[in-house]
Amino acid sequence: AQTVTQSQPEMSVQEAETVTLSCTYDTSESNYYLFWYKQPPSRQMILVIRQEAYKQQNATENRFSVNFQKAAKSFSLKISDSQLGDTAMYFCAFLYGSSNTGKLIFGQGTTLQVKP
Amino acid sequence: DVKVTQSSRYLVKRTGEKVFLECVQDMDHENMFWYRQDPGLGLRLIYFSYDVKMKEKGDIPEGYSVSREKKERFSLILESASTNQTSMYLCASSFGTGGYEQYFGPGTRLTVT
Repeated sequence: AQTVTQSQPEMSVQEAETVTLSCTYDTSESNYYLFWYKQPPSRQMILVIRQEAYKQQNATENRFSVNFQKAAKSFSLKISDSQLGDTAMYFCAFLYGSSNTGKLIFGQGTTLQVKP
Repeated sequence: DVKVTQSSRYLVKRTGEKVFLECVQDMDHENMFWYRQDPGLGLRLIYFSYDVKMKEKGDIPEGYSVSREKKERFSLILESASTNQTSMYLCASSFGTGGYEQYFGPGTRLTVT
């Protein structure tokens, strides 16, 4: 069975600094996708970044980047130049490519507080 | 922009009541999903649908049923609400298979007393 683990329930960072959120997963699949979703307080969940397992290059989206270590089954999210608007709960999620239905498996979430 | 809406942001029901949660998406997505979100557990899939009138159980379907009569609408039904179903319920939709992004609704916080 596929599992996703986020071992940091809560984190905080000073505005303008860099923070890394950890995520590990367990799968026997070789083709899959990994995602980071952001859920701001009282607002809708939105996609932050996506990584395809067959791509060796780490995905980046502006201030957000990932460190994808396929052999270690690790998928961390780095937020550079943290902003107050980055305060949110962040979920790591796994989707295996052999599925025809796009089911996501989520981690437990990490609450990030950006302090001024 | 993709829009996923849910019928209520907050809902309070009594034990034993039948509860309907509705979700509507406006982007012609094939797939729709219902999750429940609980602290420390992340999101867990209740049911999903990959086409009209098609449904499949997720990881925690007990006590729930779903209905998808139209492509844009996906309903979650609690046949007889219980206090352990007090939770945040999130609806999502996606274009199809192959790693497409899921778009989420704002959520319904259901309290069963």
